[in-house]
Amino acid sequence: AQSVTQLGSHVSVSEGALVLLRCNYSSSVPPYLFWYVQYPNQGLQLLLKYTSAATLVKGINGFEAEFKKSETSFHLTKPSAHMSDAAEYFCAVTRNSGNTPLVFGKGTRLSVIA
Amino acid sequence: NAGVMQNPRHLVRRRGQEARLRCSPMKGHSHVYWYRQLPEEGLKFMVYLQKENIIDESGMPKERFSAEFPKEGPSILRIQQVVRGDSAAYFCASSRGGDQPQHFGDGTRLSIL
Repeated sequence: AQSVTQLGSHVSVSEGALVLLRCNYSSSVPPYLFWYVQYPNQGLQLLLKYTSAATLVKGINGFEAEFKKSETSFHLTKPSAHMSDAAEYFCAVTRNSGNTPLVFGKGTRLSVIA
Repeated sequence: NAGVMQNPRHLVRRRGQEARLRCSPMKGHSHVYWYRQLPEEGLKFMVYLQKENIIDESGMPKERFSAEFPKEGPSILRIQQVVRGDSAAYFCASSRGGDQPQHFGDGTRLSIL
């Protein structure tokens, strides 16, 4: 069965600093991996997805993530944090088919300090 | 290009009442997923439906909860005889199927008095 672990329930960075949000997954089959962002009182917005093509995936808002099979990781990064990046970020995994339900991590709340 | 529409956004019920949550998928999407989010938790899968069929309900509580996605109209998540523990945010997602990602609505926040 698939599972996701997000290290750090809360991450705080200064504006302009590097953002690094960690995600490790467990999957018995080649996974599809996703990062979603959730702003207060809103639904989840897809940031990026990995579906077995390029291991470095670029998403919206300057975010990117690298799939590392040997480390079973899919960490999310952004070179320079902006105040508008403050939100909750969720990593998710599914089986190698988009038709299957997502398994989510518990989320990481990102705070950006001016 | 309307996204996934959920209504109501907020729903208050007293213990023992019924709650009905509606979800209209994005245009062209025939796959619907319901998830529940408890405070300080990630989203937990409840049920996956295609038009008129339940594909996977492994995350749905066995009692009081039901879901449908009729040929016409929105998908409905129904909770009978609500209890305090049902208080949560319920999210619906839709997709075209295949490798296409799921797109989420803004959720229904259910509060039980």
